[in-house]
Amino acid sequence: DGGITQSPKYLFRKEGQNVTLSCEQNLNHDAMYWYRQDPGQGLRLIYYSQIVNDFQKGDIAEGYSVSREKKESFPLTVTSAQKNPTAFYLCASSMFGDSDEKLFFGSGTQLSVL
Amino acid sequence: GENVEQHPSTLSVQEGDSAVIKCTYSDSASNYFPWYKQELGKGPQLIIDIRSNVGEKKDQRIAVTLNKTAKHFSLHITETQPEDSAVYFCAASDAGGTSYGKLTFGQGTILTVHP
Repeated sequence: DGGITQSPKYLFRKEGQNVTLSCEQNLNHDAMYWYRQDPGQGLRLIYYSQIVNDFQKGDIAEGYSVSREKKESFPLTVTSAQKNPTAFYLCASSMFGDSDEKLFFGSGTQLSVL
Repeated sequence: GENVEQHPSTLSVQEGDSAVIKCTYSDSASNYFPWYKQELGKGPQLIIDIRSNVGEKKDQRIAVTLNKTAKHFSLHITETQPEDSAVYFCAASDAGGTSYGKLTFGQGTILTVHP
């Protein structure tokens, strides 16, 4: 089945700890995105990547880092600098150059602070 | 940058009634307006989208209308069913422009359809 796989589904972070959220897609999409979802605030863009080895900051990049070493993978690291990391994190992908720019989302990772 | 406002934040209807969710956007360069449905514990799924060269689009029980002059667009669901209960998000972007793929989302509407 083609799609986007996020893991783990639930993740707990201790004070001062960095944690990494996994996102893998087999849709052969060029572009990948990370969104953060908080209750009542919609989805906010953290980072995005349109091609391998290149990525740009979104609206709320502080305290987060990403890498894009492979087309299929776009992991997100929540660093200890992110003081309010509790949220639902969504990874998405789209075909670069697709005039519709349709985003396909994974099923999300719920991150909580211990 | 783009700002998208979505109303209402919650909407409760009886099964069989219609539901309407409205969004306004601020950037006149935006030309792509998708709607997503998110069920509990899952990622959003695209249900319908519209581009700025079209005023209305229908897909079975759902339709989207766009008023470019007023910068607002709406989602209409007819003959609602309990399985329509979910959170709905509108979004906007200038597809093919400088903010390629960077959708700006509204705050979401929790739709509850009572049997």
